[in-house]
Amino acid sequence: QVQLQESGPGLVKPSETLSLTCHVSGDSMTSHYWSWIRQTPGKGLEWVGYIYYSGSTTYNPSLKSRVIISVDTSKNQFSLRMTSVTAADTAVYFCARNPAAGSPTAFEVWGQGTLVIVSS
Amino acid sequence: QSVLTQPPSISEGPRQRVTISCSGGSSNIGNNAVNWYQWLPGKAPKLLVHFDDVVLPGVSDRFSGSKSGTSASLAINGLRSDDEAEYYCAAWDDDLSLVVFGGGTKLTVL
Repeated sequence: QVQLQESGPGLVKPSETLSLTCHVSGDSMTSHYWSWIRQTPGKGLEWVGYIYYSGSTTYNPSLKSRVIISVDTSKNQFSLRMTSVTAADTAVYFCARNPAAGSPTAFEVWGQGTLVIVSS
Repeated sequence: QSVLTQPPSISEGPRQRVTISCSGGSSNIGNNAVNWYQWLPGKAPKLLVHFDDVVLPGVSDRFSGSKSGTSASLAINGLRSDDEAEYYCAAWDDDLSLVVFGGGTKLTVL
């Protein structure tokens, strides 16, 4: 059974870079889309972007200039890098995977989420 | 302000049927598949329905999804106390070029 686990710093200073990794266990990353989604008190659930196992990406236009999602299938993990963070980026960040033969924007398997606070 | 509109809360008694609505527009629900998620406290969200009305394997057949025009619905039959959760709809939006979510509906089983 596939499991996802987010990891990364829980506290990031304003203007610095947020870096998170999602480790995938129990299945191959092949033929799936891998997403980052965040939940903030003010905006609810917000999709950040996804990456196909081959490396092609699609991002939320409002975040595109600051976000890079990358994948390392040899390590069974994918990562989120968000630059120039502000307090508005404080959120619980989730990684997720789409269903087999499903839409890339359906999120079947989720990590437990990791809280990232942006504060000096 | 979410792009997809859901009622903030809904309540119904055990063994009853409840329907959660999700209203959008032609650029999202009207032209793309709707997905429904259940979010239990302290748990990761769970995908219940994708492609508007396809229930995921392993999900109880008490759950069903439907769509008409720019609105979608999630129905839950035979309500149980463990159905108490927040339920979210989501879809791709062609105009915004991103996944949009509803604001969530908190279901209380009386």
